[in-house]
Amino acid sequence: SQTIHQWPATLVQPVGSPLSLECTVEGTSNPNLYWYRQAAGRGLQLLFYSVGIGQISSEVPQNLSASRPQDRQFILSSKKLLLSDSGFYLCAWRTWTGVNGNTIYFGEGSWLTVV
Amino acid sequence: AQTVTQSQPEMSVQEAETVTLSCTYDTSESDYYLFWYKQPPSRQMILVIRQEAYKQQNATENRFSVNFQKAAKSFSLKISDSQLGDAAMYFCAYRNPLSGTYKYIFGTGTRLKVLA
Repeated sequence: SQTIHQWPATLVQPVGSPLSLECTVEGTSNPNLYWYRQAAGRGLQLLFYSVGIGQISSEVPQNLSASRPQDRQFILSSKKLLLSDSGFYLCAWRTWTGVNGNTIYFGEGSWLTVV
Repeated sequence: AQTVTQSQPEMSVQEAETVTLSCTYDTSESDYYLFWYKQPPSRQMILVIRQEAYKQQNATENRFSVNFQKAAKSFSLKISDSQLGDAAMYFCAYRNPLSGTYKYIFGTGTRLKVLA
């Protein structure tokens, strides 16, 4: 069965420090991968999505970047964090086929607090 | 542009009773997917139920069912025999597989409280 993992679960970073959140998917190949951000009490904002290795689409101009160095690995990064980068970050992957095709499934999420 | 609207920021239901969460969407497409996700206090998003627009039959998953009204562009979630564990944020989402993009559009969520 397919699983998705993201880490770290929680981190507190000072303003101006770098960021790296990692997400991996197991049990599938060539998944579509997504990074979402959820600010406190808010809905989900799509940040990036990827349809293949090295292929990244950005939805919102921001202080963040994403990379996909391997088929099932998706990384969210920042060189210098801002206070406004605080929030809950969710990685997700999309199924292609099967009973629940075209459905996205989410990782456990990462809480980022920038201080 | 496609949009998803959840007009109820918060709902309450007594344990063992039934509650319906509303969702409307705007699209000019005829073929698409609709979803309900649950986000409990742990914050992980969990798929509750999925509906394909070309299927007229409403999807059901145990105590969860939807009322899909395609002409009205409405997709409500009914939770029967509500349990304390159903307390969570619920998000409605839309996906058009023919749009040429891979985006899922989410509503702003409805917080469901279950009263003992």
